Amino acid sequence: DIQMTQSPSTLSASVGDRVTITCRASQSIRSWLAWYQQKPGKAPNLLIYDGSSLESGVPSRFSGSGSGTEFTLTISSLQPEDFATYYCQQYNSYSRLTFGGGTKVEIK
Amino acid sequence: EVQLVESGGGLVQPGGSLRLSCSASGFTFINYAMHWVRQAPGKGLEYVSAISINGGSTYYADSVKGRFTISRDNSKNTLYLQMSSLRAEDTAVYYCVKPRIFGVVLSSFDFWGQGTLVTVSS
Repeated sequence: DIQMTQSPSTLSASVGDRVTITCRASQSIRSWLAWYQQKPGKAPNLLIYDGSSLESGVPSRFSGSGSGTEFTLTISSLQPEDFATYYCQQYNSYSRLTFGGGTKVEIK
Repeated sequence: EVQLVESGGGLVQPGGSLRLSCSASGFTFINYAMHWVRQAPGKGLEYVSAISINGGSTYYADSVKGRFTISRDNSKNTLYLQMSSLRAEDTAVYYCVKPRIFGVVLSSFDFWGQGTLVTVSS
């Protein structure tokens, strides 16, 4: 099974900060990676698909990069509404469409 | 507007059974594989199961294989998850999820239901 490892698990930042979250796959997943944002009590929301494609309606301050085994989600200038938990997910393998463990972005 | 509405959650004793339903609207259901994802209280997301567009292929996480059965009724635009031999560790919010790409199982997810809570406890 492909394992997805996110880091850090928690991140403290201020409004306006540039934030980067990393997701590593245990084997190559090409570009088959998505990023989701989840706020408390809500379902996750798709931000990025295919490693770097921005989902329609998602602000351009969100960007994704990477391929193979290492991927990053970057928020160029953190906004108050961006404090949430972020998850990566691989969809390269039928064995499991695995999620990373999550990164909680907190107010510093 | 895409809508996914889950139902059927509740409190069940260990070893019991429950069937979740997901009523889909706003898209051509028969053209999309469908998925279930769950989230235990205070924990991360866990992939549970997927079903192909015609129901001919199904996929399960190791943690539920042999206990859960995914199915669909394309005439009713409804997805199901039959859960049996339930354990305390199955306690979670269960989300019905639509893939972004039609026709394929391997895809990111662009729409999620609001979730239904399953609590396994005596």
